[in-house]
Amino acid sequence: TQLLEQSPQFLSIQEGENLTVYCNSSSVFSSLQWYRQEPGEGPVLLVTVVTGGEVKKLKRLTFQFGDARKDSSLHITAAQPGDTGLYLCAGGDNYGQNFVFGPGTRLSVLP
Amino acid sequence: DTAVSQTPKYLVTQMGNDKSIKCEQNLGHDTMYWYKQDSKKFLKIMFSYNNKELIINETVPNRFSPKSPDKAHLNLHINSLELGDSAVYFCASSPVGLTREKLFFGSGTQLSVL
Repeated sequence: TQLLEQSPQFLSIQEGENLTVYCNSSSVFSSLQWYRQEPGEGPVLLVTVVTGGEVKKLKRLTFQFGDARKDSSLHITAAQPGDTGLYLCAGGDNYGQNFVFGPGTRLSVLP
Repeated sequence: DTAVSQTPKYLVTQMGNDKSIKCEQNLGHDTMYWYKQDSKKFLKIMFSYNNKELIINETVPNRFSPKSPDKAHLNLHINSLELGDSAVYFCASSPVGLTREKLFFGSGTQLSVL
């Protein structure tokens, strides 16, 4: 069974700071996805990374897929209170089997 | 228009009762799912349907019975509710079938069993 770990579990920062959260596994994934979940809502897909070493940018968010496709990172530049939420990574193998979610990083950006 | 809508948003009930949660998607997706999110926010798949057919049935008690009358609807019926069933249940749909990429989630149903 493929497992995903995320770190840190909790992160509280001031508005304007930069941060990086991590998603790690001992297994290889065909792709990894990042979702953001706000209180009382369902997760919303931010990005999918597919190729080892791939970097994708979404405004102030930068996503990277590890060369070995076992890990990923999410970097946020100049965090804003609107970035507050639970960040979940998720992934599966080539056949969509063993698709799992990580436990999430709960980010709080204080004004 | 809401893409994936589920009702009710909140459900408070007594142990032993039977309850249903409804889900509808207007995205034209073939695949729909039920996920359970526990108090630690861990999301775990329960069921997956592809075009009304059951594809994935994780080790969920048989008190939980999904029903898909058509590919736009996937309802969840729970019999004999137990305290441990308290959680947030999410319906989701996907355009990419079995690879489960691009999941679109509803806003969740918070179930509290007293």
